[in-house]
Amino acid sequence: GAVVSQHPSWVICKSGTSVKIECRSLDFQATTMFWYRQFPKQSLMLMATSNEGSKATYEQGVEKDKFLINHASLTLSTLTVTSAHPEDSSFYICSAPAPGREEETQYFGPGTRLLVL
Amino acid sequence: SQQGEEDPQALSIQEGENATMNCSYKTSINNLQWYRQNSGRGLVHLILIRSNEREKHSGRLRVTLDTSKKSSSLLITASRAADTASYFCATVSYSSASKIIFGSGTRLSIRP
Repeated sequence: GAVVSQHPSWVICKSGTSVKIECRSLDFQATTMFWYRQFPKQSLMLMATSNEGSKATYEQGVEKDKFLINHASLTLSTLTVTSAHPEDSSFYICSAPAPGREEETQYFGPGTRLLVL
Repeated sequence: SQQGEEDPQALSIQEGENATMNCSYKTSINNLQWYRQNSGRGLVHLILIRSNEREKHSGRLRVTLDTSKKSSSLLITASRAADTASYFCATVSYSSASKIIFGSGTRLSIRP
């Protein structure tokens, strides 16, 4: 079945640095991908919708200059956390709509755990 | 933004018992989906129920949807230790195709 991958699976960085997270659809194309953030024991909060060939759409309260999204191709979206701070430490998950008849469902990546020291 | 609430927040039952989780949402929906998440992992899609459906089955899963009450329930029958996970309902509205908004989740623990 269709698979979405994320890289890296975990990352530790110093405060003030930038971190890039990749989300790839492995055997299908995705013109849209979604980025979520999940804090411990909480639900997934939608951060933004990544659109291939155009600007990302951010949810209310999410800083677009802090969380840069680039949908470089039909199989790759990247999320860059700029000038990361400890409060950005979280579990970041991407998803892509399933192709064909299943398009109402989503395939989720395995997530990237970010720890900012 | 979070669409709705799930009840209970945490549930612990004996293996073999049935587990019921409830979800309430706020806006009109196109469909409602249930996902499962093992600790620290990505999500796995379990089942989708459309707004014109009232009940759906898949293996040991049974989902109901009451659009008048804006609520849904997920029943897992004959629970197994491997069912231990967090379960989330998620809604897709008519106005934002493909965009999924998650509920608060239920942490299910199955005691062997």
